[in-house]
Amino acid sequence: GQNIDQPTEMTATEGAIVQINCTYQTSGFNGLFWYQQHAGEAPTFLSYNVLDGLEEKGRFSSFLSRSKGYSYLLLKELQMKDSASYLCAVTDSGYALNFGKGTSLLVTP
Amino acid sequence: IAGITQAPTSQILAAGRRMTLRCTQDMRHNAMYWYRQDLGLGLRLIHYSNTAGTTGKGEVPDGYSVSRANTDDFPLTLASAVPSQTSVYFCASSRTGDSNQPQHFGDGTRLSIL
Repeated sequence: GQNIDQPTEMTATEGAIVQINCTYQTSGFNGLFWYQQHAGEAPTFLSYNVLDGLEEKGRFSSFLSRSKGYSYLLLKELQMKDSASYLCAVTDSGYALNFGKGTSLLVTP
Repeated sequence: IAGITQAPTSQILAAGRRMTLRCTQDMRHNAMYWYRQDLGLGLRLIHYSNTAGTTGKGEVPDGYSVSRANTDDFPLTLASAVPSQTSVYFCASSRTGDSNQPQHFGDGTRLSIL
C-alpha cells in the first residue's frame, strides 16, 4: 500500500518562495506527480519525477529523493493566483495514482 | 477544445435511486479513471479502464459499477445510492495506462444523496 504525507495548510506572501513537502512509503515506486487544484475546479498536472533530482518548469520546480521517500514542490515569485491545493501522487507498479490529501496554499498580499 | 466532459455538473438524488454519471473524452486516450474527492480524504480511485472493453477496481469500488464499450465513454453507475456516496466525482484519462502518464481531469460532478 501507499502512505503519503503532506502538510495540510501553508501560507506565504506574494513574491516569496514556498516549498511544499511530500513524504511517501510504498512497496514499489514508479514515479511521483504534483497536481494543482483551485477551489471548485479539476486537478491539473504540474510535474512528474521518476529519477532523483530537480526538475524545473518556469516558476515551479519539483525535487525527488527516492532513497528518502521524499519530494518537494518549489514555487518561486508567488502570485495570488497560486493560491490553490497542491496534490502529491505516487504510482507503484500498478495502474493507479495514489494521492495524498493535498496541501492548501494561501498566498497573501 | 479537446478534453473531458462530465455530466451532470451537479445533482441532488434521493437515497435508493439509481444514477449514472457520464464521462466523455475526445483525446483518444486509452485509459480512463473515476475518482471521488471528499474533504480530508483526498482523491480516491473508484474504478479504472486501461483500454476499451476492460475495467478494474480501484481503492473504493463498492456500490459503483463502470463500463467501457468504446474509447471515448466511461460511465459510472450507482445502482442504489446511499448518503455516504455524497461526494465530488472526477473522471480522468491518460494516453495509456502506464503509470508514468499524466492524467487529465474533467470538471467534476457534485453529487448529494439525501
